[in-house]
Amino acid sequence: DTEVTQTPKHLVMGMTNKKSLKCEQHMGHRAMYWYKQKAKKPPELMFVYSYEKLSINESVPSRFSPECPNSSLLNLHLHALQPEDSALYLCASSQGTGGPTEAFFGQGTRLTVV
Amino acid sequence: GENVEQHPSTLSVQEGDSAVIKCTYSDSASNYFPWYKQELGKRPQLIIDIRSNVGEKKDQRIAVTLNKTAKHFSLHITETQPEDSAVYFCAATGWNAGNMLTFGGGTRLMVKP
Repeated sequence: DTEVTQTPKHLVMGMTNKKSLKCEQHMGHRAMYWYKQKAKKPPELMFVYSYEKLSINESVPSRFSPECPNSSLLNLHLHALQPEDSALYLCASSQGTGGPTEAFFGQGTRLTVV
Repeated sequence: GENVEQHPSTLSVQEGDSAVIKCTYSDSASNYFPWYKQELGKRPQLIIDIRSNVGEKKDQRIAVTLNKTAKHFSLHITETQPEDSAVYFCAATGWNAGNMLTFGGGTRLMVKP
């Protein structure tokens, strides 16, 4: 299984809502990532978890809150978002050991904030 | 930190022609250079990668070359087909970047039948 699975595929939320994005992988990878991608732009790194511990937080606003319940799951909790937060949110995973390796991406959650 | 520049931003070729996309990186400690293809509305998918101990790598119609001295690497697609139409991203990383990928700005490749 070389899949990273994200749910939901699409999400529309109001600025006062609280929602969560979910990501799952069963490749035994120990590094998991959240990226934000705006149209016609490359993915921008938001958070990195290494061995279930947050290792990188790229100065992301506190309205985004990541969580890694176990080595297979990664969540992104959303609260009080702004319309400019509308984007494709991609989860990815990689081995996390022995040097840089391929990052496998999920299909993404298309988020629209209204 | 690492900075990756990618050119051109758009590339239009006739089916059967070759396409070349070039990237430069700034951090001489980077040692892993993947290329991702992203079709419209889909996830980025790795198409080929190269490590700093290798100068060239080929996989059927796709090849990547790396010049460590000049700090640039290139993607070559031969005999292009309409299904090669997508956005291509180069990336770079290494141990000192915690293996976090820094992406180039992307190249939109259009292959005309």
